[in-house]
Amino acid sequence: AAGVIQSPRHLIKEKRETATLKCYPIPRHDTVYWYQQGPGQDPQFLISFYEKMQSDKGSIPDRFSAQQFSDYHSELNMSSLELGDSALYFCASSFYQMETQYFGPGTRLLVL
Amino acid sequence: AQTVTQSQPEMSVQEAETVTLSCTYDTSESDYYLFWYKQPPSRQMILVIRQEAYKQQNATENRFSVNFQKAAKSFSLKISDSQLGDAAMYFCAYRSASAGTALIFGKGTTLSVSS
Repeated sequence: AAGVIQSPRHLIKEKRETATLKCYPIPRHDTVYWYQQGPGQDPQFLISFYEKMQSDKGSIPDRFSAQQFSDYHSELNMSSLELGDSALYFCASSFYQMETQYFGPGTRLLVL
Repeated sequence: AQTVTQSQPEMSVQEAETVTLSCTYDTSESDYYLFWYKQPPSRQMILVIRQEAYKQQNATENRFSVNFQKAAKSFSLKISDSQLGDAAMYFCAYRSASAGTALIFGKGTTLSVSS
């Protein structure tokens, strides 16, 4: 079965640079979610989109923004990167926003 | 605000044995969902099992089953006939059925399996 696709899988950036993470949900899934998992920590919810509209917002820094496009893929844009942004970023998707979330493999971001 | 607590940072089990991972949660809501996710060394998040709060029957998926005690706000995961491939970090997670879409995770339990 098709799974959530995230790209890139690994990303290395310098402080103050920008990064864009992409997420392609499971076919027919209309809701995407973004989570951040720091080293040795549990995933923290950042933001979610349902039918291309923001549906919920968590602890997403103002330096980050995200959107969902007409084909339901989503992008997380991160600017003015800080060392503390180094983490594993997960995208998850579901069919309708109240259904089970299935996670992608994650993007490992390292900020130097 | 809802919270999820996993009181066992680490657990170990022998192959073919049974192990139970504990999870408690705090909420004032009556309708919600509970999940167990597995995160192996690859760090992929894999859904293990899901429980709807309105269902009294405990969910089961092959060797994995839960003991859901709504009044006690307890949601433990039992792994039967443990296999080496079960070694991973296990996260308990809560999601409201009416307010917000975020999964709220516990801190996780690292399970090691020995042969």
